[in-house]
Amino acid sequence: AQSVTQPDIHITVSEGASLELRCNYSYGATPYLFWYVQSPGQGLQLLLKYFSGDTLVQGIKGFEAEFKRSQSSFNLRKPSVHWSDAAEYFCAVGVYNQGGKLIFGQGTELSVKP
Amino acid sequence: DAGVIQSPRHEVTEMGQEVTLRCKLISGHNSLFWYRQTMMRGLELLIYFNNNVPIDDSGMPEDRFSAKMPNASFSTLKIQPSEPRDSAVYFCASSLRLAGGGETQYFGPGTRLLVL
Repeated sequence: AQSVTQPDIHITVSEGASLELRCNYSYGATPYLFWYVQSPGQGLQLLLKYFSGDTLVQGIKGFEAEFKRSQSSFNLRKPSVHWSDAAEYFCAVGVYNQGGKLIFGQGTELSVKP
Repeated sequence: DAGVIQSPRHEVTEMGQEVTLRCKLISGHNSLFWYRQTMMRGLELLIYFNNNVPIDDSGMPEDRFSAKMPNASFSTLKIQPSEPRDSAVYFCASSLRLAGGGETQYFGPGTRLLVL
């Protein structure tokens, strides 16, 4: 069965430091992978997505993610975190034969220290 | 475009009452997804539609839950009767089409439901 694991429930980084949020997936074929961000009290906003091709994907707000098939991972990175990046981040896999169904990880809450 | 619109944003009700959550899709989108978010279970897909037709409702927790798309731009999620364990944030999301899992879903702001 398809699944997504985000090993870190909560991460705290200092403003200006680099960030990496981990995501591992289980899927039988080449996956469609997404990262969404949820600010408090808000809906989810797409940061970036991977379909095929270049394994390094650029997104909004200075985020990028790298697809590594050998590790079944799709980690999210940002070189310098801003206080406004504090939010919850969700990794998701799109299920090909179920018409767009997204399976989400449990989320990683990011706190940013001044 | 205004994005996906959900109403109400907050709902407090008493156990046993009927609750109706509403969602307006982004204009031109053909697919609609209802999710529920709780601390314990995270984000769960409840049901999704394509061209007004329910495609997969396997995530609907019980018969107390029902969802409809009376037209191409609007959907309702109804809980009758409501129970305290239904307390959660309910999101709807729309996408341009169903395309094998690759379409971006655009989320509404959610309805925060509290059942007392």
